[in-house]
Amino acid sequence: QVQLQQSGAELAKPGSSVKISCKASGYTFTSYDISWIKQTTGQGLEYIGYINTGSGGTYYNEKFKGKATLTVDKSSSTAFMQLSSLTPEDTAVYYCARERITTVVPHYYVMDAWGQGASVTVSS
Amino acid sequence: DVVLTQTPPTLSATIGQSVSISCRSSQSLLDSDGDTYLNWLLQRPGQSPQLLIYSVSNLESGVPNRFSGSGSETDFTLKISGVEAEDLGVYYCMQATHAPNTFGAGTKLELK
Repeated sequence: QVQLQQSGAELAKPGSSVKISCKASGYTFTSYDISWIKQTTGQGLEYIGYINTGSGGTYYNEKFKGKATLTVDKSSSTAFMQLSSLTPEDTAVYYCARERITTVVPHYYVMDAWGQGASVTVSS
Repeated sequence: DVVLTQTPPTLSATIGQSVSISCRSSQSLLDSDGDTYLNWLLQRPGQSPQLLIYSVSNLESGVPNRFSGSGSETDFTLKISGVEAEDLGVYYCMQATHAPNTFGAGTKLELK
């Protein structure tokens, strides 16, 4: 079955960086894009962007440009998100999600499988 | 960015009761091709969100047919016809018509 296994909780200091992983299994990794989503109590769910796991091409929500960097390692079927210059506002749970194209019209991408979430806490 | 406003923020229901959640968009979600990219997700306590409905009214595989979605342009509704215990959690609408994708603030469904 499709699974996205994310890395564990991170405690980081302001100004530092963290790199979260999302290991896929149960499907052909390079056939589906991976999206990343931020969840906080205050702001709710925010869409960060996605990566084309085959080409490495990326799209970023303007709000997260310069904050998040998305990469993949095809050899290990793993997607990564690095968050840089961390501030307390980056404290959140971060999810990865597989983007599947719908089988019925209209054809577009939906997030049909989610990782379990990775908690990032930024504190001095 | 498109703002999605969900009401009510909290919904109390008894098992078997039918309930509806509203999602209103700050702009039309009808794109130039005549399609509407509005999804509904459920986040059960302690779990990740999961896709329930896409393109307004299409049930994701494995989702019970007591869930239904309707609406157009700026007004959308998720209906649960006969709430079951496993339906408790937070429901989110999400639009993918206008970049970036955005989510509603959520509606928490709890037992009365």
